[in-house]
Amino acid sequence: QKEVEQNSGPLSVPEGAIASLNCTYSDRVSQSFFWYRQYSGKSPELIMSIYSNGDKEDGRFTAQLNKASQYVSLLIRDSQPSDSATYLCAVNREASGTYKYIFGTGTRLKVLA
Amino acid sequence: DAGVIQSPRHEVTEMGQEVTLRCKPISGHNSLFWYRQTMMRGLELLIYFNNNVPIDDSGMPEDRFSAKMPNASFSTLKIQPSEPRDSAVYFCASSLGLPQHFGDGTRLSIL
Repeated sequence: QKEVEQNSGPLSVPEGAIASLNCTYSDRVSQSFFWYRQYSGKSPELIMSIYSNGDKEDGRFTAQLNKASQYVSLLIRDSQPSDSATYLCAVNREASGTYKYIFGTGTRLKVLA
Repeated sequence: DAGVIQSPRHEVTEMGQEVTLRCKPISGHNSLFWYRQTMMRGLELLIYFNNNVPIDDSGMPEDRFSAKMPNASFSTLKIQPSEPRDSAVYFCASSLGLPQHFGDGTRLSIL
């Protein structure tokens, strides 16, 4: 079992719809969770971080964390073609005393105009 | 503010040559990370420095790879000798705690 798992996609949604991206992790000690967006040929860009159970909203983005079920998700409301990218989930185990991430392989999102 | 700066942006070289990738972290950040990204393996952590000291190099693929951080504002990743399978995009990231911020990457092609 991979430490951080994501469906590779592509996930195709029509413009204006809600895109839902999911990530599961295996280590219960994990403390901090991040979503990065990566456009083709570009570097990963941080879009959301979440540290406690529940929802965190930032504009059109909502991150959801459920530590009991070991999953974190990203919702993108009113999806736009410019949201088409690969979304990477990253998990940090601060209890290990490091700031090292474990990355998922990413989910490719396609927003259809 | 300047972000993480990597050079060169692109490197094409022949198998067996030495390759040196450079990274300048964000000023004030005390952690630096080198990653490699390929289609097959995704984003892999190669090595992680904290306060210029290597903390975790378990991701360095083999002895051909080495990394240094002589001071808080500069790091290098060296491959010697290079092989075609080293072709990938290499990213440097830095942080002050969490989260990490990435540079634009170096696209490396070994012929």
